[in-house]
Amino acid sequence: GIQVEQSPPDLILQEGANSTLRCNFSDSVNNLQWFHQNPWGQLINLFYIPSGTKQNGRLSATTVATERYSLLYISSSQTTDSGVYFCAVDSGYSTLTFGKGTMLLVSP
Amino acid sequence: DAGVIQSPRHEVTEMGQEVTLRCKPISGHNSLFWYRQTMMRGLELLIYFNNNVPIDDSGMPEDRFSAKMPNASFSTLKIQPSEPRDSAVYFCASNVQRGSPLHFGNGTRLTVT
Repeated sequence: GIQVEQSPPDLILQEGANSTLRCNFSDSVNNLQWFHQNPWGQLINLFYIPSGTKQNGRLSATTVATERYSLLYISSSQTTDSGVYFCAVDSGYSTLTFGKGTMLLVSP
Repeated sequence: DAGVIQSPRHEVTEMGQEVTLRCKPISGHNSLFWYRQTMMRGLELLIYFNNNVPIDDSGMPEDRFSAKMPNASFSTLKIQPSEPRDSAVYFCASNVQRGSPLHFGNGTRLTVT
């Protein structure tokens, strides 16, 4: 099946800093989504982005499907951005496959 | 929109007991998914339904696990008998159709002693 690798596995930031999270995948995809799992365990859908660029407030995401990667940008990070960020992909042959996530800690 | 609703939020039970987890998907969503999350294995898909019909149950660990979706607004995941290695957070998720944005419930944290 499709492989999903996220980097870095862990990230510590000072409040106000910017960051970029990366998701590499091993096959072409027709569906890519980014999720945030907050410290209370809730999984929130951030972006549905099989290709192109989208922005939502301080967060934006870009998927370059031809090169098999996606990037999640967090600008002016806040403590509420802490948690685990998951990338999930669907190659069309199965349901969403999740990466292992990037754990982000934003300190005040 | 109330989102995906799961119950109970926490379940503590003894080994050998039957456990039933419940899920109400978002109204109008035609696909429903059950995931399990552990530290060791991350997020694993157990089973998914489309229009109340089970489509792929290859992720169900063994015969002790079963899932049903009797109608468009309700699904259950049952474990009988439960074992300590079943301890995990179980998530239900739904979307309008396969390939569209996926929305998760708040999960059920299961502890089997």
